[in-house]
Order: sequence, then structure tokens, then C-alpha cells
Amino acid sequence: GESVGLHLPTLSVQEGDNSIINCAYSNSASDYFIWYKQESGKGPQFIIDIRSNMDKRQGQRVTVLLNKTVKHLSLQIAATQPGDSAVYFCAENIGYNFNKFYFGSGTKLNVKP
Amino acid sequence: KAGVTQTPRYLIKTRGQQVTLSCSPISGHRSVSWYQQTPGQGLQFLFEYFSETQRNKGNFPGRFSGRQFSNSRSEMNVSTLELGDSALYLCASSLMSIGTSGRAVEQFFGPGTRLTVL
Repeated sequence: GESVGLHLPTLSVQEGDNSIINCAYSNSASDYFIWYKQESGKGPQFIIDIRSNMDKRQGQRVTVLLNKTVKHLSLQIAATQPGDSAVYFCAENIGYNFNKFYFGSGTKLNVKP
Repeated sequence: KAGVTQTPRYLIKTRGQQVTLSCSPISGHRSVSWYQQTPGQGLQFLFEYFSETQRNKGNFPGRFSGRQFSNSRSEMNVSTLELGDSALYLCASSLMSIGTSGRAVEQFFGPGTRLTVL
């Protein structure tokens, strides 16, 4: 498959544990955020989003937390599975500026069976 | 429903040449965005097209251009290729553009075109 070959920070977790992936953003005007998952050979896949008027949003096994005070976003994955192994990116949009998103540098999640 | 398709998947060019990449969005989707992904710079926004109009542009030189056809298919062109243009070029489609809809819309990414410039 296609490998992006990024030299990324890596988070290693045991299968069944919870994972927390962090993202710092720089623009205080950012008002919409998305977490993406990218597996080898594939394009990024939408996981969950959150608007700036919220501080928490939950999906299936995933929770996104937004702290606007310190410009920090986190993705929590409950009961991490081997299929969760991938690179995770946060992306921000400013002023609902059409579909122009700024992506973070990414974190590689490695789930050990 | 078929996903976003990009052609070709792999491409090798030499410096100075030009290249055209193609993206077919999901049926019914009107917005197509292009991104460049490299190990050094990560994912960077190139431009977005919606209803055949460029709605937004990233910080790339004029050598990078694009267009969208009436069937929403999009092409991007890079002229006078440089070694630094080697990257994975990703296309994403969504039903509409986030600005016009006033609400969040999900973008679906294609698998990308791996461009290598020698």
C-alpha cells in the first residue's frame, strides 16, 4: 500500500486500553475542528467533529474535547483495538471558510495486541 | 455508493515537466478540495472548487492550478515541476461547501496520487 512516510510522534497502547491523542492549534479564530484517521495507503477518514461553541462531543468509542482557553484539542478512543492503528490528524477551519482546513502534523497510534 | 476516485495513483515525472491529476467526487457532491501531503509539511490545503468556481486557495505558487467541470469532476495541474513537488496529492469531496451550507459537512478523501519528481 501507499505509505506517507511521515516521521511522527508515536503513541503505543495496549489493546483494550484507552488512548488519548492531543493536538495544539495556533489560531484563536478557529471555530470548527475535525479529527481524521489515516491508514496506510488510504486518504484521511473523518472520525468526529466539534464546533467552537462546544467543549465536548461524543461518538462511538470516541470523544473529542476542546479547550479554547489553551487552544488544545484531544481525541479519546475507548477500548482501543488493533484496527485503530493509524495516523491521526486534527484539522481546523477558521470562520467556516468554505472547506479550507489547516491540518496538524499528526500522531501515529500503534496498538499492541 | 462509490467513493472518491483519483487517477492516476502513481506518477513519475522529471523536473520541468507538467502534470495533470484527476479527481472524481462521490456522486452528488459539488465541492472538491485538493491537498498536498509531504513528510516535511504534512497536509496542506491547495484549493477548493464548488460549482465550477474556485472558492478558496492555499499558499502555493501559481504553478499549481485547478479546475472543476460541470459534472463536479476536478483536475489539478502543476507546471514546471520541481523536486519539492514530490508528494501525495489528495482530493476530498463533500456534498456542499461548509461556508454555503452554514453547517458542518463531512469531507471524503480519495486514496491520493503519489507524484515523484526526478
